Amino acid sequence: DAGVIQSPRHEVTEMGQEVTLRCKPISGHNSLFWYRQTMMRGLELLIYFNNNVPIDDSGMPEDRFSAKMPNASFSTLKIQPSEPRDSAVYFCASSLAHSSGFGQGTRLTVV
Amino acid sequence: QQQVKQSPQSLIVQKGGISIINCAYENTAFDYFPWYQQFPGKGPALLIAIRPDVSEKKEGRFTISFNKSAKQFSLHIMDSQPGDSATYFCAARSTGYGKLTFGQGTILTVHP
Repeated sequence: DAGVIQSPRHEVTEMGQEVTLRCKPISGHNSLFWYRQTMMRGLELLIYFNNNVPIDDSGMPEDRFSAKMPNASFSTLKIQPSEPRDSAVYFCASSLAHSSGFGQGTRLTVV
Repeated sequence: QQQVKQSPQSLIVQKGGISIINCAYENTAFDYFPWYQQFPGKGPALLIAIRPDVSEKKEGRFTISFNKSAKQFSLHIMDSQPGDSATYFCAARSTGYGKLTFGQGTILTVHP
C-alpha cells in the first residue's frame, strides 16, 4: 500500500493567492482528516470526513478555508485568500477502524 | 479545549536510559489511545496503541501503561537509543468516526 499521498510537499505562495492542497487516502479507508501543525499550536484537527461526507469542520479557522472530498480517493483543502499566518505543515490522514496513516505533509509558506 | 495534556514538553535521556512521557485526558468518550512518533520532515507514524480495557501493552522496547480510573496513560521507552530521538505525541480517539485528539508533543533527545 502506498500510504496517504499528499501533494505538493512544499508550497510557497504570496499573500492573497489561492492555495490548494491535495490528498489521496489509503484505499479502503472511510475516514479522512486534515490537520495543521505549528510549533505554537501543535497538531490541530481542521476537518474530517466519513464516507466522503464532512462530519465536523469546527476546527477550520476561518471562512478562507474550505475542504472537499468528491470521492473516496481524493480530497482537497483550499485556502483563499492565503495569509502569512497560514504558514504551517498541513497533514492529511485516513483511517478505518484501528488502521490509520498520515501523509508526509505539505509545508506551506505564505510570504 | 485541550482534552489531552502531555508532559514533559522536552526530554533529554542518555543512551540506555528509560524515557517516560505522560498524558492525561478529560473526555471519557475515547476508545483507543495511540502514540505517534514523528521525525523532522515526516508525518506522524503510529508507534503503539492501547485500548482502555487493558492496563499495559508492550511491544519491544516500547510500553504503554494505562490507568483508566485516573484517566492517565504513559509511554515508556526502555534502553533508549539515539535513533529514538523524535517528537512523540499521545492521542485519544473518539468513539464513532475515529477523530484523534492529540497531546502537545514531547521532543525526545537521546544522547549517545
